[in-house]
Amino acid sequence: KAGVTQTPRYLIKTRGQQVTLSCSPISGHRSVSWYQQTPGQGLQFLFEYFSETQRNKGNFPGRFSGRQFSNSRSEMNVSTLELGDSALYLCASSLGSTGSSPLHFGNGTRLTVT
Amino acid sequence: GQQLNQSPQSMFIQEGEDVSMNCTSSSIFNTWLWYKQDPGEGPVLLIALYKAGELTSNGRLTAQFGITRKDSFLNISASIPSDVGIYFCAGRDSNYQLIWGAGTKLIIKP
Repeated sequence: KAGVTQTPRYLIKTRGQQVTLSCSPISGHRSVSWYQQTPGQGLQFLFEYFSETQRNKGNFPGRFSGRQFSNSRSEMNVSTLELGDSALYLCASSLGSTGSSPLHFGNGTRLTVT
Repeated sequence: GQQLNQSPQSMFIQEGEDVSMNCTSSSIFNTWLWYKQDPGEGPVLLIALYKAGELTSNGRLTAQFGITRKDSFLNISASIPSDVGIYFCAGRDSNYQLIWGAGTKLIIKP
């Protein structure tokens, strides 16, 4: 069974640009969550989608948005990039919502903003 | 908001030593999860705990769900070089929110 796939693996953008990251969950998983990871900060929750609906949202500005498609694939978008947005963005899928079943993570997209 | 304290922040150990790390919460959790993250990869689930007092092993790893439901620990016995990485705990509260610890970085002394 294929794991969670995130594309691209690495991305370099400049300040002010926007970026879209993609996540394909494990087949059959309906929930997708996104996390931002910076050195020493652990995992910061961005949002969770379940059956195309945003279920939960973390404390990030409106520049961070996401969506989920009918096949459970998800994208997250960051507009007007800032230097501080440089981080590893992790996507995780689960069978039910994150509150009911464990998360399975992809290997992340490493975003560098210059 | 809810706090989940994970300690220690980092550990330097000799190969063959036993390792212990723990997480404590300011509120009650219904589930505890332990993950490990290798460099350049996403976290991988090691052990899931669903009941207070539960003790679960996965090879050389053992984790326990504290009886107060506010803490959990992870032990690694006879550490080997591939144990290096960052270990995260996560707890699910009564609102089904998943709260994460800041991670314990395990480094093996050469």
